[in-house]
Amino acid sequence: GAGVSQSPRYKVAKRGQDVALRCDPISGHVSLFWYQQALGQGPEFLTYFQNEAQLDKSGLPSDRFFAERPEGSVSTLKIQRTQQEDSAVYLCASSQDLLLTDTQYFGPGTRLTVL
Amino acid sequence: GNSVTQMEGPVTLSEEAFLTINCTYTATGYPSLFWYVQYPGEGLQLLLKATKADDKGSNKGFEATYRKETTSFHLEKGSVQVSDSAVYFCALLYSSASKIIFGSGTRLSIRP
Repeated sequence: GAGVSQSPRYKVAKRGQDVALRCDPISGHVSLFWYQQALGQGPEFLTYFQNEAQLDKSGLPSDRFFAERPEGSVSTLKIQRTQQEDSAVYLCASSQDLLLTDTQYFGPGTRLTVL
Repeated sequence: GNSVTQMEGPVTLSEEAFLTINCTYTATGYPSLFWYVQYPGEGLQLLLKATKADDKGSNKGFEATYRKETTSFHLEKGSVQVSDSAVYFCALLYSSASKIIFGSGTRLSIRP
């Protein structure tokens, strides 16, 4: 079946613009994760959903970052008033069950460039 | 805090060479350990994992053994191929936490 998909794949924003990044998890997957990957670095955790509930948002770098998953499926990561330091690849992952040790399946990512 | 340290790259090898990418971790308790691979233009994929001490994860000819005494999870392959060229990430996860903690990645290039 289809894997995790993300859109857009590439986004260029001017500093100060708001952006919205979309993640479509694997159908039926309960858990959804967002990560931020800076150039040349490993991914860093941003936030975690179990169905529609956001259970952990400890990795969100500032209150300009907001994520939602209103119906427990598609998720959107929104960044308000983008800054140059927000430039990164944003990865979404989903896992099948409630167990946090379940394998996380990653999407291809959205590469955000803030000018 | 919990962290993962892995061998800096890039690593360049000839085809059929033996590969080792070192990974050590700092953590309290007993996390699960992973190797993820990112092929050019593709998303992260789980390569192998081990959930307890002395477990060996293996896949596609790659192996890694969970060594609690040395807090290590080194990735090995006996004979690499050009198609193994990718970025490899070592990572850990606690069952009580939601976040995977990744190392900074090692870029591997294999010459024909």
